Amino acid sequence: SQKIEQNSEALNIQEGKTATLTCNYTNYSPAYLQWYRQDPGRGPVFLLLIRENEKEKRKERLKVTFDTTLKQSLFHITASQPADSATYLCAPGRSGGYQKVTFGTGTKLQVIP
Amino acid sequence: DVKVTQSSRYLVKRTGEKVFLECVQDMDHENMFWYRQDPGLGLRLIYFSYDVKMKEKGDIPEGYSVSREKKERFSLILESASTNQTSMYLCASSPPGYLGYTFGSGTRLTVV
Repeated sequence: SQKIEQNSEALNIQEGKTATLTCNYTNYSPAYLQWYRQDPGRGPVFLLLIRENEKEKRKERLKVTFDTTLKQSLFHITASQPADSATYLCAPGRSGGYQKVTFGTGTKLQVIP
Repeated sequence: DVKVTQSSRYLVKRTGEKVFLECVQDMDHENMFWYRQDPGLGLRLIYFSYDVKMKEKGDIPEGYSVSREKKERFSLILESASTNQTSMYLCASSPPGYLGYTFGSGTRLTVV
């Protein structure tokens, strides 16, 4: 069955450094992959989407890569700030028909001032 | 901005009660979803709807039903609440193509 793996352990980094979060998937061939941010007690907020034919996508301090050979997506936050502290979820999805998106369990990021 | 509004932030219900969770979106999205989120298990899809009166089972539909009588409103119904349905419930909507979900703030349901 399909499996999505994100680091279950929290990631602690120093303010100003680049945070890199990993999303690996198996038994799955997604056409795109989404990243969401979730703050405690709130619903996830959509950040970025990258398609299978795109190697990299950027939005302000965020960068996402998608390697279909490695079956992996990396999510980078450059010049990280304490306000970036949250849980980040990846969500691969297939296109066509009534396909649904499957969410990873998320990685908690803590940016230390 | 698209808004997805869930009717309650916190709910406490008794075992055996019928529970209604309401969700309304204001951007004319075709697709709407109900997820539950539990520690260590992530978001699990209960039901989704791609049009008025249309619904599809997700990964964990047992013990739940849904209703979509109007495009903007998607209701989740717990027919007879049980303690193992204590969870955070999240509603989401999206345009066609399932790209970029907009989530509500969630309803934390406790069944006692």
